[in-house]
Amino acid sequence: QVQLQESGPGLVKPSETLSLTCIVSGASISNYYWSWIRQPPGKGLEWIGYIYYSGSTNTNPSLKSRATISVDTSKNQFSLKLTSVTAADTAVYYCARHSGGLASQFDPWGQGILVTVSS
Amino acid sequence: DIQMTQSPASLSASVGDRVTITCRASQYISSYLNWYQQKPGRAPKLLIYAASSLQSGVPSRFSGSGSGTDFTLTISSLQPEDFATYYCQQTYNTLLITFGQGTRLEIK
Repeated sequence: QVQLQESGPGLVKPSETLSLTCIVSGASISNYYWSWIRQPPGKGLEWIGYIYYSGSTNTNPSLKSRATISVDTSKNQFSLKLTSVTAADTAVYYCARHSGGLASQFDPWGQGILVTVSS
Repeated sequence: DIQMTQSPASLSASVGDRVTITCRASQYISSYLNWYQQKPGRAPKLLIYAASSLQSGVPSRFSGSGSGTDFTLTISSLQPEDFATYYCQQTYNTLLITFGQGTRLEIK
């Protein structure tokens, strides 16, 4: 059974960098895409970006190049860095396995981690 | 961007009711449409993929239909555990995956 677990600081100061890691257990990170999704409190879901195990990535243009996703196959994990954060980046951040391609789905998801941007 | 518009934004229904939620895409997306269920404080859960395929383990009272730009999620007989928020998602544009704004299903 594939399980994903997000980890990282729950509080980040404005203008600093948010860094999160998603540890994958129960399956190899190889041969799949892996996505980050976020959800501001009380709001809907926003896809941040995905990475293939080979390292190729694609991120949401709305983040204006602030988001970087990387993968470490030796540790079976992938990571998100979001620079120059503001209060608008306060959200629950989820990682999910992404089957990739046109007929793709996000399944399973991690439990999510709340990151608050505040001084 | 492909905009996904769900209706209604919220819905009140009773146990046993048949409920339909719609999702409209701003452009053609074939059948590349998924539905997720999210309960408070929990991660979303995949219910339906490719517009009409039931994810393994999901009760058969859930069904999806549609193609092109108009899609529906139907719950044939609401159960207490079905009260949640439902999101549609398009993966036709693989470079910018988008979700609907969500439909909150509440107990009447």
